[in-house]
Amino acid sequence: KNQVEQSPQSLIILEGKNCTLQCNYTVSPFSNLRWYKQDTGRGPVSLTIMTFSENTKSNGRYTATLDADTKQSSLHITASQLSDSASYICVVSATRSSGGYNKLIFGAGTRLAVHP
Amino acid sequence: NAGVTQTPKFQVLKTGQSMTLQCAQDMNHEYMSWYRQDPGMGLRLIHYSVGAGITDQGEVPNGYNVSRSTTEDFPLRLLSAAPSQTSVYFCASSYSVVSPLHFGNGTRLTVT
Repeated sequence: KNQVEQSPQSLIILEGKNCTLQCNYTVSPFSNLRWYKQDTGRGPVSLTIMTFSENTKSNGRYTATLDADTKQSSLHITASQLSDSASYICVVSATRSSGGYNKLIFGAGTRLAVHP
Repeated sequence: NAGVTQTPKFQVLKTGQSMTLQCAQDMNHEYMSWYRQDPGMGLRLIHYSVGAGITDQGEVPNGYNVSRSTTEDFPLRLLSAAPSQTSVYFCASSYSVVSPLHFGNGTRLTVT
């Protein structure tokens, strides 16, 4: 069964500190892995997309890593800011053998709170 | 650009009522989709479309209908609302199957 599990469920850090969010998946056949940021009351916004051959991708203070062998990904946030308070969602895309729309499997998200 | 626009932002229905959630995008994306987001769960796909005139079911299609008469619009119809359909609904679009999704800001629906 295709699954995406994220940990921790929630996290509180102090402003300026770094943190790492985890994503483990069992999805086949793998197409790509995505991280989204979702502010309260808003839709998710894409942070990164990584394919099988990419093991690191950065977007400003956000750095995502992918280990396709162990089926794990992490999202590292550097020098956190109050505006980083949000839910972070890991999404894994599985290729459909019949073509067309890839199946996206969403994790339940990690809720991050950055305190001053 | 407005991106993906969803209306209404909030809606309360009584059991058995019907309604249409509107979604429009101005990015000329072929792929559009509807998701529901429930507490403690990942987003789940309701219906999707790979272009005007083409729609297909996702994971949780029961109780919902869609149509895609234009590239820009992808409305979601609730046929006979049930309390189990209380959720936040997101519309998304993308340029291709491997491109990032662009989400609207959601419609929060409560069915009493």
